Amino acid sequence: EIVMTQSPATLSVSPGERATLSCRASQSVNSDLAWYQQKPGQAPRLLVYGASTRVTAIPARFSGSGSGTEFTLTISSLQSEDFAVYYCQQYDRWPDTFGQGTKVQIK
Amino acid sequence: EVQLVESGGGLVKPGGSLRLSCAASGFTFSIYTMKWVRQAPGKGLECVSSITRSGAFINYADSVKGRFTISRDNAKNSLYLQMNSLRVEDTAVYFCARDQSPIDYWGQGTLVTVSS
Repeated sequence: EIVMTQSPATLSVSPGERATLSCRASQSVNSDLAWYQQKPGQAPRLLVYGASTRVTAIPARFSGSGSGTEFTLTISSLQSEDFAVYYCQQYDRWPDTFGQGTKVQIK
Repeated sequence: EVQLVESGGGLVKPGGSLRLSCAASGFTFSIYTMKWVRQAPGKGLECVSSITRSGAFINYADSVKGRFTISRDNAKNSLYLQMNSLRVEDTAVYFCARDQSPIDYWGQGTLVTVSS
């Protein structure tokens, strides 16, 4: 199975600052990479798919990039509602696999 | 509005069985691949099973293969997960999810606790 590795595990950021989250795949997943946001007690919410296509309802401050094995999610100016856990997921081949998550917390 | 509502979770002893259900509404259920994804307490996400729209193609994670069975009833807009021979490590919130490559909608989840 494809192993997804996210870094860092925890990111401490002040409101208004930029956050950069990384995700690495153990083998190429082409652009079949999604990013999700999860808040406590809630289901994950899809933010980005195809590595860089933002879901319609998601604010433009979220952007994804990368292909192959290296991917990045950037939040350009963190808002209070953005503090959460973020997961990357590859859906190039079964089983779909997720990274272990990056927790974005208030600095 | 797309809605996925899971039910059937609860407390079960090791070796026991449970059947999870997911009621779908707000979209044409029969044209989507559906998945079950679980999340152990305080842990990450694991995709445990997938079923195509007609049920012709089914996949399982190695961790549940031979113990779990996914099925669907398109006439009832429902997805199921039969879980047998449950283990302590199967304890998790189980989410029903719609797959649009990738998953685009999730239910709120149902908690399965396996404990003696």
